[in-house]
Amino acid sequence: KNQVEQSPQSLIILEGKNCTLQCNYTVSPFSNLRWYKQDTGRGPVSLTIMTFSENTKSNGRYTATLDADTKQSSLHITASQLSDSASYICVVSDPNKLVFGAGTILRVKS
Amino acid sequence: NAGVTQTPKFQVLKTGQSMTLQCAQDMNHEYMSWYRQDPGMGLRLIHYSVGAGITDQGEVPNGYNVSRSTTEDFPLRLLSAAPSQTSVYFCASRRARDAGNTIYFGEGSWLTVV
Repeated sequence: KNQVEQSPQSLIILEGKNCTLQCNYTVSPFSNLRWYKQDTGRGPVSLTIMTFSENTKSNGRYTATLDADTKQSSLHITASQLSDSASYICVVSDPNKLVFGAGTILRVKS
Repeated sequence: NAGVTQTPKFQVLKTGQSMTLQCAQDMNHEYMSWYRQDPGMGLRLIHYSVGAGITDQGEVPNGYNVSRSTTEDFPLRLLSAAPSQTSVYFCASRRARDAGNTIYFGEGSWLTVV
């Protein structure tokens, strides 16, 4: 069964610190992997999209990595800000469908 | 540039009532879909459409109907609401079939069935 597992389930960090969120998947065949940010009460917003041949992609302070051999991805947030508090969702595609992870809830404290 | 617009934002229904969640996009996207988001779970696909006049079932279609008479609009109908349909619903759109295209989500519709 195609699955996307994210860890940790939730995370609290201090403003200015870095953090890394993990995504492991079993989706096959693989098409691409997306990371989304979802603020409370809002819809998900795209951060990065990576295909099989890409192993890193950045969007400002967000850097996603992909290891297609081990079927793992990570999202690294640098110099966190209070506005980074949100749920981060990993989405993996096969050619026909999207499989969503349950998300990691990040809270940045001052 | 509105993107994906969903209405209503909040709705409370009684068991057995019917209602329609509206979704409209102004990006001329062929592909539109409806998801539900429940606590502790990833978004699950209810129905999707690859173009006007074409719809298909997703992972959890029971109790829902859709239609796609125009490229812009993709309403989701709850036929006879049940408490199990209490959830947050998201409409999404993208260009053509998934090929690494950005998926745009609406702001969500919070539905409570009592």
